[in-house]
Amino acid sequence: AQTVTQSQPEMSVQEAETVTLSCTYDTSESDYYLFWYKQPPSRQMILVIRQEAYKQQNATENRFSVNFQKAAKSFSLKISDSQLGDAAMYFCAYRNSGGSNYKLTFGKGTLLTVNP
Amino acid sequence: EAQVTQNPRYLITVTGKKLTVTCSQNMNHEYMSWYRQDPGLGLRQIYYSMNVEVTDKGDVPEGYKVSRKEKRNFPLILESPSPNQTSLYFCASRPADDTGELFFGEGSRLTVL
Repeated sequence: AQTVTQSQPEMSVQEAETVTLSCTYDTSESDYYLFWYKQPPSRQMILVIRQEAYKQQNATENRFSVNFQKAAKSFSLKISDSQLGDAAMYFCAYRNSGGSNYKLTFGKGTLLTVNP
Repeated sequence: EAQVTQNPRYLITVTGKKLTVTCSQNMNHEYMSWYRQDPGLGLRQIYYSMNVEVTDKGDVPEGYKVSRKEKRNFPLILESPSPNQTSLYFCASRPADDTGELFFGEGSRLTVL
């Protein structure tokens, strides 16, 4: 079974600075998806960024980028120019690309605090 | 607006009193799923459905039932709730074209006393 590990239960960053959230995963599959979801105090799950394992290029969405290291099974999220609105719980998630259950396997989350 | 709608958003109930959390999506998605979120555990899948009348267990199905009589609806049923089912519940759906992404509802906070 796949597992996802987020080793940082909490992180903090100063406004306008850069922070990196770590995620490692374990799988024997070669094709899969990786995601970062953001959960603000409203509790809504918001997709931040997605990476397909067959793509070597790291995904980028505005101030959010990932460092995808397939061999090391590492998928870190970098937030540049941090803003107060970035404060949230961040979840890393994994999904096989095929199969009959499009289940996401989540890490336990990293709570990000942004200090003004 | 494309969305996944859950009701109720908040509920406090007592042990043993049957309850249903409804989930409806307006995106014509075939796949739907339920997750529960608990502190320190992340989100875990309860049940999923590939299509109408097709449902299957996820990782933590004990104490729950689901049904999929219509494509848009996927209710979660707690026949006899217990305090260990106190949790935050999310319904999610996915389109047939596999973009990988799940679309989540806004969550339902359930407390069982």
